Amino acid sequence: EIVLTQSPGTLSLSPGERATLSCRASQSVSSSYLAWYQQKPGQAPRLLIYGASSRATGIPDRFSGSGSGTDFTLTISRLEPEDFAVYYCQHLRTFGPGTKVDIK
Amino acid sequence: QVQLVQSGAEVKKPGASVKVSCKASGYTFTGYYMHWVRQAPGQGLEWMGWINPNSGGTNYAQKFQGRVTMTRDTSISTAYMELSRLRSDDTAVYYCAREDSTSRGWYLAYWGQGTLVTVSS
Repeated sequence: EIVLTQSPGTLSLSPGERATLSCRASQSVSSSYLAWYQQKPGQAPRLLIYGASSRATGIPDRFSGSGSGTDFTLTISRLEPEDFAVYYCQHLRTFGPGTKVDIK
Repeated sequence: QVQLVQSGAEVKKPGASVKVSCKASGYTFTGYYMHWVRQAPGQGLEWMGWINPNSGGTNYAQKFQGRVTMTRDTSISTAYMELSRLRSDDTAVYYCAREDSTSRGWYLAYWGQGTLVTVSS
């Protein structure tokens, strides 16, 4: 079974800074099945990226995804106040443990 | 617009069962698999399984085999997740989420609002 590892566990940044979140799979996976979600307290997860690099409908272009094989990255080019949240990567039935992006 | 509306919060005693509903609207219910994902307090997301609303076929995570049953009622576009022999560590928010699969990827684009299930004596 595939295990997803996300790093760092917590990322402390200021608004306007660039955020780079990593998701590593225990074995090579198809990019088609790699997705990223954002979750804020008390809310359901929201799809950001699917197919490793395609933005979901309505997602601002400051969010981008990249990667292949075992290493995937979610980048937020310039953090807005509403971007401070927890981010999860997913491959089919497996979710990563999440990266919390909080305000420095 | 696609909407998934779940049933309300539940409080159950250990050993009991809980059944959570997820009513779909805005699309053809039988055209998309429905997944169930749970989240314990302060923890991450845990996949539980899926149901094919068209055929009723299911696929459960190994961890929940024998305790979870996913069903659907196509006449009212509603999916159900029943978890039996509840334990305190089943306390969590349970989400339904619709699977989308396209040439560009596979993902859960639409989620219900979540149902808090609390297991306590």
